[in-house]
Amino acid sequence: AQSVTQLGSHVSVSEGALVLLRCNYSSSVPPYLFWYVQYPNQGLQLLLKYTSAATLVKGINGFEAEFKKSETSFHLTKPSAHMSDAAEYFCAVRPTQGAQKLVFGQGTRLTINP
Amino acid sequence: NAGVTQTPKFRILKIGQSMTLQCTQDMNHNYMYWYRQDPGMGLKLIYYSVGAGITDKGEVPNGYNVSRSTTEDFPLRLELAAPSQTSVYFCASSPPSSGGAYEQYFGPGTRLTVT
Repeated sequence: AQSVTQLGSHVSVSEGALVLLRCNYSSSVPPYLFWYVQYPNQGLQLLLKYTSAATLVKGINGFEAEFKKSETSFHLTKPSAHMSDAAEYFCAVRPTQGAQKLVFGQGTRLTINP
Repeated sequence: NAGVTQTPKFRILKIGQSMTLQCTQDMNHNYMYWYRQDPGMGLKLIYYSVGAGITDKGEVPNGYNVSRSTTEDFPLRLELAAPSQTSVYFCASSPPSSGGAYEQYFGPGTRLTVT
């Protein structure tokens, strides 16, 4: 069965610093991979997705993620953190064939320090 | 487009009571899903549907029931509420795969407390 592990339930960075949120997946074949963001008291919103078209994926709000098959990773980065980036971030995996179901990581709460 | 809408936003239930969480989408999506979110646990799939009249269990279906009589609606039923069902519930929808990595679109959630 596919699974996702997000390293670090809580990450804290200073405003203007690099944001790095880690995600590793477990799958026998490269799956589809997604990053979602959840702002307080809201639903989840798609940041970006990997569909095998390109290993470096750019998303909304200046975020990007790189798919590394050899490391089974899909880490999320942003060069310069902004206060508005404070939220919870979820990595999710879905097989390219079969049932269209997502498996989510446990989430990483990002705090931005002024 | 309203997207995915959920009602109610908040609800407090007593143990043993029943209720239905409503979910509606206006994007003509075939797939619909119900998740629960507990702190530090991510989202767990309760039930999903691939189209009207077709539903299947997810990871944590016990204590819940669903039906899908129309493309737009996918209600979630709690028959005998228990404290373990205190959670935030999210409904989501997506178009059919057809080989594409279609993302899921989420509603704003229903915060349920069972006491």
